[in-house]
Amino acid sequence: GQNIDQPTEMTATEGAIVQINCTYQTSGFNGLFWYQQHAGEAPTFLSYNVLDGLEEKGRFSSFLSRSKGYSYLLLKELQMKDSASYLCAVMDSNYQLIWGAGTKLIIKP
Amino acid sequence: IAGITQAPTSQILAAGRRMTLRCTQDMRHNAMYWYRQDLGLGLRLIHYSNTAGTTGKGEVPDGYSVSRANTDDFPLTLASAVPSQTSVYFCASSDSRGGDYNEQFFGPGTRLTVL
Repeated sequence: GQNIDQPTEMTATEGAIVQINCTYQTSGFNGLFWYQQHAGEAPTFLSYNVLDGLEEKGRFSSFLSRSKGYSYLLLKELQMKDSASYLCAVMDSNYQLIWGAGTKLIIKP
Repeated sequence: IAGITQAPTSQILAAGRRMTLRCTQDMRHNAMYWYRQDLGLGLRLIHYSNTAGTTGKGEVPDGYSVSRANTDDFPLTLASAVPSQTSVYFCASSDSRGGDYNEQFFGPGTRLTVL
């Protein structure tokens, strides 16, 4: 079966760094996405990785290791507005997205 | 309109009633999707359409139907609602005709409660 695993909840301090991990087992791989979802709102796109390595975009970076079925999202200089759920999704061999349940990130002052 | 709109924003529905959730996009994306989001679960694909005139079943299609008469609209119909269909429903679209990846853009969602 297809499976995406990520921690249910994480807590971090404003100004700090946090890493949210995602492991996956899917039928085929056509890229991995990270989305941000604030409570009561729609998911919004953060990053895409299809090759191994690190993609940096401002305060957010995303890493992929295809051989390990592993990705992480790194958030630096945390701000209160970063409190949200972070969704990991893998595009499978049918080009459909398989979604993890999301990681709720709580930022404390 | 800018992006994707969904209607209604929320709805309380009696079990057994028929309901259509509306979705419209103005980005001329070829592909559209319907997901449901339940607490503790990831987004689950209900139905999708890769282009106007075609539709396909996702992971959880039972009890739902869709149509894609044109590029912009992708309505989702519950023929006879049941309480297990209580959920938040998101419509999304993407341009899958080219480019490096198919980022999906999401509508604001419809919160549906079936009693």
